Amino acid sequence: DTGVSQNPRHKITKRGQNVTFRCDPISEHNRLYWYRQTLGQGPEFLTYFQNEAQLEKSRLLSDRFSAERPKGSFSTLEIQRTEQGDSAMYLCASSPGHGITGGTDTQYFGPGTRLTVL
Amino acid sequence: AQSVAQPEDQVNVAEGNPLTVKCTYSVSGNPYLFWYVQYPNRGLQFLLKYITGDNLVKGSYGFEAEFNKSQTSFHLKKPSALVSDSALYFCAVRDGGGSTLGRLYFGRGTQLTVWP
Repeated sequence: DTGVSQNPRHKITKRGQNVTFRCDPISEHNRLYWYRQTLGQGPEFLTYFQNEAQLEKSRLLSDRFSAERPKGSFSTLEIQRTEQGDSAMYLCASSPGHGITGGTDTQYFGPGTRLTVL
Repeated sequence: AQSVAQPEDQVNVAEGNPLTVKCTYSVSGNPYLFWYVQYPNRGLQFLLKYITGDNLVKGSYGFEAEFNKSQTSFHLKKPSALVSDSALYFCAVRDGGGSTLGRLYFGRGTQLTVWP
């Protein structure tokens, strides 16, 4: 399967712990996005990378959240000192992002990582 | 500010009947519009998009959507619903002329139920 993959699929943690999620985009996709989805809501944008550069961050991305894409391939999203309000599905997406048409690209989503903070 | 509204939380339709899932949007520039479908415990699957050109866009699984600029709408349609179409549907928009080139703005979703 050459789609977007995310690991782990489920994570249960205790409040105050740190967690890290990984996303592997579709091969040769330059753009990578993170979204958060809570129950009954649509996905909300968190951040986006063009290759290894983090180009945009939402105000939702507090200082407890950090994302990296060190070699322009996979990405990690870390949440420090988790809170119960962080419980959500974290979705990763990728798109080709080549040239001036990158803005019209389709974003392809992974299966998500469901985080439960106890 | 960019936003999407899906005015119906639920849509119920009998198998074989036509279905419509409504979406309206607000952007400051040209809208790039998308429909995604989500099955339980799964990520979002792309159905179709409107960027420019013909207002009627055809997508996967027999779905289509009509872009209406004057009504700022992008309703999803299918002539004959299947039970397997039952899922959560999301409309999303990106501002083609804005500086937020990456992000999509999603609606809250519409749960479609097709009964046999």
